[in-house]
Amino acid sequence: GAVVSQHPSWVICKSGTSVKIECRSLDFQATTMFWYRQFPKQSLMLMATSNEGSKATYEQGVEKDKFLINHASLTLSTLTVTSAHPEDSSFYICSAKGRDRGSLGANVLTFGAGSRLTVL
Amino acid sequence: DAKTTQPTSMDCAEGRAANLPCNHSTISGNEYVYWYRQIHSQGPQYIIHGLKNNETNEMASLIITEDRKSSTLILPHATLRDTAVYYCIVRSQVSGNTPLVFGKGTRLSVIA
Repeated sequence: GAVVSQHPSWVICKSGTSVKIECRSLDFQATTMFWYRQFPKQSLMLMATSNEGSKATYEQGVEKDKFLINHASLTLSTLTVTSAHPEDSSFYICSAKGRDRGSLGANVLTFGAGSRLTVL
Repeated sequence: DAKTTQPTSMDCAEGRAANLPCNHSTISGNEYVYWYRQIHSQGPQYIIHGLKNNETNEMASLIITEDRKSSTLILPHATLRDTAVYYCIVRSQVSGNTPLVFGKGTRLSVIA
């Protein structure tokens, strides 16, 4: 249980185009999802918090007009990279809170497999 | 969230126990210790989490010191597939749906 699916797993696009990445919670509802970005040989960096039915909260330094987040349902959040440029090439990963785990229960975040974006 | 300190890298022989340390000296009373790992080009995978007591599941054991300022993740019989970056993260449980803040982690290489 608690599976998070991302699509596409990889995408190559031309500079200036927009790319949409989907994050779905397959067997649970997620009112909150998180989007991360990871550059080669670096750790995951939080980009934004996606809330169902409301505006996303962006981390400092992340342009909200460039990285559009839509969380229209309890099982789907999308990240659109608008007017992508080569410096946006990265590994984008989403996560959501899954079911309770272990004797201590809740608040374990489940991650998707990631989406690798390459902008030419 | 409190910061954690982990060694940059470690090696472990296949079949032996891998012991990954983590220092979290500024951890507060309502913060849990979480461990995740990331195999190359995949999303992070949950391993285990704990508050005060030692925890064990099918993947690993978590040993937390009495003062909670450090912990050790133990993979009892490491295999080649355990080669990954392991992240130790402290996070408040009280704050509900808060994200995980990743440090640099420990790159574990399991050697045949």
